[in-house]
Parts: sequence; structure tokens; C-alpha cells
Amino acid sequence: EAGVAQSPRYKIIEKRQSVAFWCNPISGHATLYWYQQILGQGPKLLIQFQNNGVVDDSQLPKDRFSAERLKGVDSTLKIQPAKLEDSAVYLCASSLGDRDEEKLFFGSGTQLSVL
Amino acid sequence: LAKTTQPISMDSYEGQEVNITCSHNNIATNDYITWYQQFPSQGPRFIIQGYKTKVTNEVASLFIPADRKSSTLSLPRVSLSDTAVYYCLVGDFSSASKIIFGSGTRLSIRP
Repeated sequence: EAGVAQSPRYKIIEKRQSVAFWCNPISGHATLYWYQQILGQGPKLLIQFQNNGVVDDSQLPKDRFSAERLKGVDSTLKIQPAKLEDSAVYLCASSLGDRDEEKLFFGSGTQLSVL
Repeated sequence: LAKTTQPISMDSYEGQEVNITCSHNNIATNDYITWYQQFPSQGPRFIIQGYKTKVTNEVASLFIPADRKSSTLSLPRVSLSDTAVYYCLVGDFSSASKIIFGSGTRLSIRP
């Protein structure tokens, strides 16, 4: 079974530039999550999708971050403009959305460095 | 929000059983307890999930007392490859922002 695919693996940009990350979840997974993980900390949820609708974006800094999940499959996360404090690993995860066992499958992430 | 408390770090040796305890005093009735493992440069990986009593799978066991205010992840006969960060999560993923990963427990296994 193919896992969650993310690209790019690494990205280096200067502050005030824009950047986009792409995620392809496991086939059939209805729920998709984007997390931000700063070095030395646990992942922090940015946004949760159920199919192509937003379930929870309460922790997404909407002045600079945006995300979409067209057709309920792939998703993109964008930062515009980037700040130094956005340097982190951006993780995408997906799950079946089955309430009986909520198991998240994570991708390897995109490591963003903002200079 | 169900806050969890777990040790910052633990050390053990190959072949030993490792138990990592997590406290979650304000767990809600509908909350599950889930543990994830994370290696450097990888995303977290699901280990085990439970609601009450004991759950066992091919890699770990999860012990949950009757009051559910704590839980213990048990890793039998650890190896060097079990060196990782372990996260205890409490909540219901229907609203994932209510589930906090925290800083986890950094487990180091020595030869």
C-alpha cells in the first residue's frame, strides 16, 4: 500500500517569498490533515479536511497560510509571505475517517527553511 | 482540551521491557488514547490505540486503568531501532485541533 506522498522534501526560501507544499493522501482516505512541526516540538495541527470540506482550521494563520483540497484527494498548503518563524517541517497526514479507530498515516514531510 | 504529561526522556538497554506512562487527568468520556512513534526526518507512525483496559498488538501493549486518568505504553524487548520520540495523545480526531501532541518522550536504547 502506497503511503502519504509529499513534495518537495526540502525547500529554502527568503522571508517574504511564497511557497507551496503538495500532499497526496492514501487512496480512499477521506480525512486529510496538515501539521507544522517546529524543531524539538510535537506536531501542531494547521487544518483538517473531510473530503474537500474544511473541518477545523482554527489554528491556521489565515493572514498568510492557505490550504485547499480540490476534488477531495490531493491538497496544497501555501504560505504567502513567509516569515522566519515559519521554518519548520510541514507534515501531511490522512485517515479513513472511521470513528472506531482513528489512525493517522503521516508523510515524511517538507522541511522549510526561511532565511 | 485533554492535556497529557509524559517524561521528557528515558533510557534503557536492548532486550529490556520499556514502560512509558502518560498522565491525562481530564480525559473525556469519548476520548481515546493513542500513541505514536517518530524517528528523525520522518512523520509520526501509529503504534497503538485504546479506550480502556488492555490492548495488545504486534509491537506494543497499552494498559489503561479503570479511571482512565493515565496510560502506560509497554514495549517488550526493545532494540536499538526503538530509539525514537513517543507521543501520547488523548482525544477524538473528529476535531483534531483538540488533540495536542506535546513534546513527547525521547527514548534512547543503548547496546
